[in-house]
Amino acid sequence: SQTIHQWPATLVQPVGSPLSLECTVEGTSNPNLYWYRQAAGRGLQLLFYSVGIGQISSEVPQNLSASRPQDRQFILSSKKLLLSDSGFYLCAWNSGPSTDTQYFGPGTRLTVL
Amino acid sequence: GESVGLHLPTLSVQEGDNSIINCAYSNSASDYFIWYKQESGKGPQFIIDIRSNMDKRQGQRVTVLLNKTVKHLSLQIAATQPGDSAVYFCAERGGFQKLVFGTGTRLLVSP
Repeated sequence: SQTIHQWPATLVQPVGSPLSLECTVEGTSNPNLYWYRQAAGRGLQLLFYSVGIGQISSEVPQNLSASRPQDRQFILSSKKLLLSDSGFYLCAWNSGPSTDTQYFGPGTRLTVL
Repeated sequence: GESVGLHLPTLSVQEGDNSIINCAYSNSASDYFIWYKQESGKGPQFIIDIRSNMDKRQGQRVTVLLNKTVKHLSLQIAATQPGDSAVYFCAERGGFQKLVFGTGTRLLVSP
């Protein structure tokens, strides 16, 4: 069965510090991968998606970047965090055009102080 | 543009009642819809989905209804339990494997 992992689970970082959040998927190959951000009490905003290694599409201009160094690894990064980067970051996957449903990881709670 | 929204931000029900959570969408070309449940501090969990060639789909204690005429989606939960308390999101497919999410409805179940 497929599983998706995210770490860390929680993170408190000062403004201006770098960020690296990691997402890995097990039990599938060549998944589509997604990064979402969720502000408190709000819906999910798609940040990036990837259909393959090294292929990243950005949905909104922002202070963040994403990379996919391996087939089942998706990384969200920032060089200098802003207060507005605080939120709940969710990684999701699906198995490509034949499957529409996206399955989410447990999320990372990021607080920028 | 595409948008998905919900009519009620919070729904309070008694244990054992049936719950109905509503969602409106604006893209008449959307062909796939999903309901997710999100408990506090956790990632969204898939509940049920429906394609636009259907108007009803049933799962275990849940039913999704799709009315394409008025672009309305609903999630019905039968015999609601305290464990059903969560935020429920509808989502529609918004392009290449991308989902557009509504803002969510919080369901509160009282014992």
